[in-house]
Amino acid sequence: GAVVSQHPSWVICKSGTSVKIECRSLDFQATTMFWYRQFPKQSLMLMATSNEGSKATYEQGVEKDKFLINHASLTLSTLTVTSAHPEDSSFYICSASIEGPNEQFFGPGTRLTVL
Amino acid sequence: GENVEQHPSTLSVQEGDSAVIKCTYSDSASNYFPWYKQELGKRPQLIIDIRSNVGEKKDQRIAVTLNKTAKHFSLHITETQPEDSAVYFCAFSRGFQKLVFGTGTRLLVSP
Repeated sequence: GAVVSQHPSWVICKSGTSVKIECRSLDFQATTMFWYRQFPKQSLMLMATSNEGSKATYEQGVEKDKFLINHASLTLSTLTVTSAHPEDSSFYICSASIEGPNEQFFGPGTRLTVL
Repeated sequence: GENVEQHPSTLSVQEGDSAVIKCTYSDSASNYFPWYKQELGKRPQLIIDIRSNVGEKKDQRIAVTLNKTAKHFSLHITETQPEDSAVYFCAFSRGFQKLVFGTGTRLLVSP
């Protein structure tokens, strides 16, 4: 149980284009989903927290107009990187939590490379 | 703000030795302390967690200890094996709030 998927697993795009990453909880309803970014040899940095049906809460320093998050249902959240640039190249990981425990279930991650 | 210090940043041990990683957190109201193992290019994998009402928890070769007074918690791996080689992250959270991750420890277990 508690499986989270992400799609795509990797994506290469040209600078200036937008990329959408999907995060799905496959066998449970996630009240909250989290989006992280991880640069090589660094820790996970939380970008934003999203709850179904409400606006995402972004961490300080994360541009909400550049990283659009939509949490349309209890099983799906999407992250859209708009006008991507090479410095946005990173490993993006989502996680989902069930109301109650603190435990988060992580997706397999999406490696974004912007040329 | 919230932060967590993790040490050491790298740890090399011989197979069969023990490994200890320590984290110090800032938020005294924190009540959940998980440890994650991350292999290259993979998702973080929860290996053990502890809540603030418990001082120690063990699962086979892995144990976690929590010292709330000193605000630090540690991961102990005994009888290390080469497949334990990975990056380990500590984290903490308060209530249902976000996890704050440590900086990571790269563990290398040599045969």
